[in-house]
Amino acid sequence: SQTIHQWPATLVQPVGSPLSLECTVEGTSNPNLYWYRQAAGRGLQLLFYSVGIGQISSEVPQNLSASRPQDRQFILSSKKLLLSDSGFYLCAWSVLYRQGDHGYTFGSGTRLTVV
Amino acid sequence: SQQGEEDPQALSIQEGENATMNCSYKTSINNLQWYRQNSGRGLVHLILIRSNEREKHSGRLRVTLDTSKKSSSLLITASRAADTASYFCATGPNQGGKLIFGQGTELSVKP
Repeated sequence: SQTIHQWPATLVQPVGSPLSLECTVEGTSNPNLYWYRQAAGRGLQLLFYSVGIGQISSEVPQNLSASRPQDRQFILSSKKLLLSDSGFYLCAWSVLYRQGDHGYTFGSGTRLTVV
Repeated sequence: SQQGEEDPQALSIQEGENATMNCSYKTSINNLQWYRQNSGRGLVHLILIRSNEREKHSGRLRVTLDTSKKSSSLLITASRAADTASYFCATGPNQGGKLIFGQGTELSVKP
């Protein structure tokens, strides 16, 4: 079956520390993968997406980077966290429904608090 | 920039009542989707309506789409306390299969 795993669920990090959030998918190959950030009470902001290994597209300039070292692995990183990096981070992959439509399956999210 | 904008931002109703949420978007779309998010969790796909469809049903959900007005509505009939969540519309797919999400409507159903 197709599943998506995202960890950790919560993270508290000091300002200036590095960050690594990992997302992996199972049961599919060559998925499109996405990282979104959600500020409290707000909608989702697309940060990065990847259509294949080593292919990363950045949507907004920021303090974060993404990598895709393996087909089913998507990593969100930062060398030095800022207070403004706090938020709820969601990984998603594009799934194919019948009739050729695509939608997303989301991971359970990581709540990051930078202190 | 955000593509979908939901209205209202928050909605509080009694159990058994119907809940209607609206979404407006700016550019042409292939499809419009609605997602639900329970507090502190990931989003879950509810229903997808294609640009050539006007109405779609799934259980207690009814979605309408008016491409001339660039708007959609999600109706939840006979609401339950378990329907309490945030609801987001999303449009796409764009380049790379991207979906653009609105700000969401926070629905509270009181027992």
